[in-house]
Order: sequence, then C-alpha cells, then structure tokens
Amino acid sequence: GENVEQHPSTLSVQEGDSAVIKCTYSDSASNYFPWYKQELGKGPQLIIDIRSNVGEKKDQRIAVTLNKTAKHFSLHITETQPEDSAVYFCAAQTGGFKTIFGAGTRLFVKA
Amino acid sequence: SQTIHQWPATLVQPVGSPLSLECTVEGTSNPNLYWYRQAAGRGLQLLFYSVGIGQISSEVPQNLSASRPQDRQFILSSKKLLLSDSGFYLCAWGGQLGAEAFFGQGTRLTVV
Repeated sequence: GENVEQHPSTLSVQEGDSAVIKCTYSDSASNYFPWYKQELGKGPQLIIDIRSNVGEKKDQRIAVTLNKTAKHFSLHITETQPEDSAVYFCAAQTGGFKTIFGAGTRLFVKA
Repeated sequence: SQTIHQWPATLVQPVGSPLSLECTVEGTSNPNLYWYRQAAGRGLQLLFYSVGIGQISSEVPQNLSASRPQDRQFILSSKKLLLSDSGFYLCAWGGQLGAEAFFGQGTRLTVV
C-alpha cells in the first residue's frame, strides 16, 4: 500500500539556524504534498503544500521542494525561531480522497 | 467560513465500555470526512474516510466503526473498547481533489 517515510524523527537546532525535514513516498501517482504543523494538544494545521507539476514553492521562511523522479520532497525552514518548535508532518495524497502521513518530526528550536 | 467541531476534548473510559465520538462541519457541503488516530509520539493513521452520506471506507481492521448519518456529521464508535484503542483521535474534512485537510482539535481517549 501507500507509504510515506519521514526523517528525522527528532531535530534540534539553534535559533536562527535552518531546519530540513525529508520525506519519501511510494505511490508514483501521488500528486499533492502538504506539510502540517502540530502544536501540543491541537490538531495539525497546513503550513505549505506543493503539487506534482511544481518543483519548488516558498512562503517567507518556509520552502518545500519536490523531486518526482526520486519520489522525495523536503521542508526547509530558515531563520528558525522558538515558536517554530512543534511536530511537523509531511503527507502525500493520491486519488483525491486519502492523505497518507509521515510519522512526524519533532522540531526543537533552542533560544 | 468553514469550521469543524469535534467533541469531547478528553475522555477516560473503562475497558469494555462503548465509545461515540462526534464530528460536525459547518460552512461547506458534501465534504470528504476523515478519522485519524495518533498514538503517543507517532504519526497519523487513517482509520476511516467518507465521500458521502452512508459511504464509509475502512483503512485498517480494528475494533472501531464509523458512520455518516448526515452530510456534515461523522461519528466514530466502538461497542467494547480495548486498552489499545487509547490515543488522540482527529476528525478532518477535505474539499475537492488535491485540497488540504482541515483538522478538528482532537479527542484524547484513555482506556483504563
């Protein structure tokens, strides 16, 4: 079945440094790749997404890249701030109905 | 604007008791609806999804069931809870193809 692998499971960076989270997906028919941020005790919220016809997308300090050939996609956060500390999930959507999530990355930004 | 309501926020239930979690969506019609479970420190596991009233697809065999009695209502149930049913349950809705999922605030279920 469909699978999304996410690395690392935990990431600790110093405030102001960059953070990179990487994901791979198994279903080559996947065409939509959202990234979610989950704060403690809350539901995940979308922070950025990318579709299969685009290689890169940027929104202020956050960027996502997609390599369809290798079935890789990555989240890049620059100039990290303490409020970026949270759990981040990548996901891949196939067929419009099912979104398969990675296992999550717990990001710690140290002040 | 669209909103999603999920309740209760926290629930402690004994083993063998029944379960009913409810989720409702406002401000949209015919949404795709989803139930996810998140075990402690783990990712989001898709349990059920629904593309319309009475249409339920199950992703994993388990002790749970789902129903969609109305267009914007999605219910997660169990007749007899197991200890392994403990977790953080999230309801979500999604619109058209390739659209993001909007999550509720979640229900933390502890089976004791």
